[in-house]
Amino acid sequence: GAVVSQHPSWVICKSGTSVKIECRSLDFQATTMFWYRQFPKQSLMLMATSNEGSKATYEQGVEKDKFLINHASLTLSTLTVTSAHPEDSSFYICSAQDPLNTGELFFGEGSRLTVL
Amino acid sequence: AQSVTQLGSHVSVSEGALVLLRCNYSSSVPPYLFWYVQYPNQGLQLLLKYTSAATLVKGINGFEAEFKKSETSFHLTKPSAHMSDAAEYFCAVSDSGGYQKVTFGTGTKLQVIP
Repeated sequence: GAVVSQHPSWVICKSGTSVKIECRSLDFQATTMFWYRQFPKQSLMLMATSNEGSKATYEQGVEKDKFLINHASLTLSTLTVTSAHPEDSSFYICSAQDPLNTGELFFGEGSRLTVL
Repeated sequence: AQSVTQLGSHVSVSEGALVLLRCNYSSSVPPYLFWYVQYPNQGLQLLLKYTSAATLVKGINGFEAEFKKSETSFHLTKPSAHMSDAAEYFCAVSDSGGYQKVTFGTGTKLQVIP
C-alpha cells in the first residue's frame, strides 16, 4: 500500500515554544490530508482537513491559531503547534487520501509531543 | 450524524481462540465501515472495509467482518488468535460516501494470552 511518513516520531519541547510536525506521502500525491489528535487510551479526534493550496478546514473546538496547518505541496502537510503548553502533549497522527486508490486513507506513524 | 460504539475497551483471548470485537454504528445514510489496527506508538493500518458490496468482508491477517444492517453491526472476527494480533483495534464509519470525515470508535485493546 501507499506510504505516509511523519517526522519527528517524538519530540520534547519547553512550554511556550513552537513545534512543527511533518506529514509526507512518499509514493503518491495527496490533495487532502487529515490531522488527528489521540489522547491516552482514547480514539482519534479529527482536528482539521488539510487541502493542498488552500486553507485548512478545522473541526469545531480546534483553535486554528494554535494549530497551524500548511499544505504547500501535493506530498507535504505540516502541523505547527504554536506556544505549546503541557496540555498540548498528545499523539498526533496524520493521514493522506490517495485519490487514485479509491480515496483510501493511509496513516502516518504518529508523532508523540511532550511539552514540559 | 454518524457514530460508532465499540463494546469492551479491553478483550483478552487465549492464543488459538476465536477473536470477536464488537462494533455498532449509527448512520443516516448507507455507511462505509472500516476496521483499523494500531500497534503501540504507530499510526493506523486498514484491516478491512465495507463499501456496500458483499456483506462479509475479508481483510488482512485472517480477519473478517460482517455487515448486518438489521443489527447495525460490523463485528470483527478471526477464527484463531495469534500473539501478533495483540494491538488496539478501531472501528470507524463514514456516511459521506467515501473516506472523508471518518469517525472512529473509542477502540478495543486486544490481549492475547499464551
